[in-house]
Amino acid sequence: KQEVTQIPAALSVPEGENLVLNCSFTDSAIYNLQWFRQDPGKGLTSLLLIQSSQREQTSGRLNASLDKSSGRSTLYIAASQPGDSATYLCALNRDDKIIFGKGTRLHILP
Amino acid sequence: NAGVTQTPKFQVLKTGQSMTLQCAQDMNHEYMSWYRQDPGMGLRLIHYSVGAGITDQGEVPNGYNVSRSTTEDFPLRLLSAAPSQTSVYFCASSRKPGQGEMQYFGPGTRLTVT
Repeated sequence: KQEVTQIPAALSVPEGENLVLNCSFTDSAIYNLQWFRQDPGKGLTSLLLIQSSQREQTSGRLNASLDKSSGRSTLYIAASQPGDSATYLCALNRDDKIIFGKGTRLHILP
Repeated sequence: NAGVTQTPKFQVLKTGQSMTLQCAQDMNHEYMSWYRQDPGMGLRLIHYSVGAGITDQGEVPNGYNVSRSTTEDFPLRLLSAAPSQTSVYFCASSRKPGQGEMQYFGPGTRLTVT
């Protein structure tokens, strides 16, 4: 059974710092991996999608990497801002099912 | 283009009542799915559908029914609500996941069962 783990569960960093969020998974046979952002009481907003054949994707200050052999993905956020405060979730796509991690709750300190 | 829409946004039910959560998408997506989100549990897959007329169970299907009579709509039915079904429910859609497509989520329905 595919398991997706996100560590840490919560993270607080001062504004302006670069930071890395981690996502690990047990089964490397995936179609793609997607990172989402969720603000309190809101739905999910897609940030980046990495296909299984890709190593990384970039969008603005965000960079996501994928290493299937080690079962890991990272989301790198450069020059963090208070508006980046949210919960970040990774999700794996395999066999018509999307499996989510429990998320990392990020708080950027002004 | 409305994307994925869900109704209602909020609902309070008494134990034993039934109701249907509505989900619709206007992107002609083949794949649709329902999740519930609970504190400390993350998002868990309830049911999914890879096309009209085809549905399958996810991780936590008990107590829920689905049908997919059209490409656009994927309603979730609670036949006899229980307090354990208090949760936030999200609907999502994409072109087939097997083709590496991005998932789009609706805004959610917050359900309370008393």
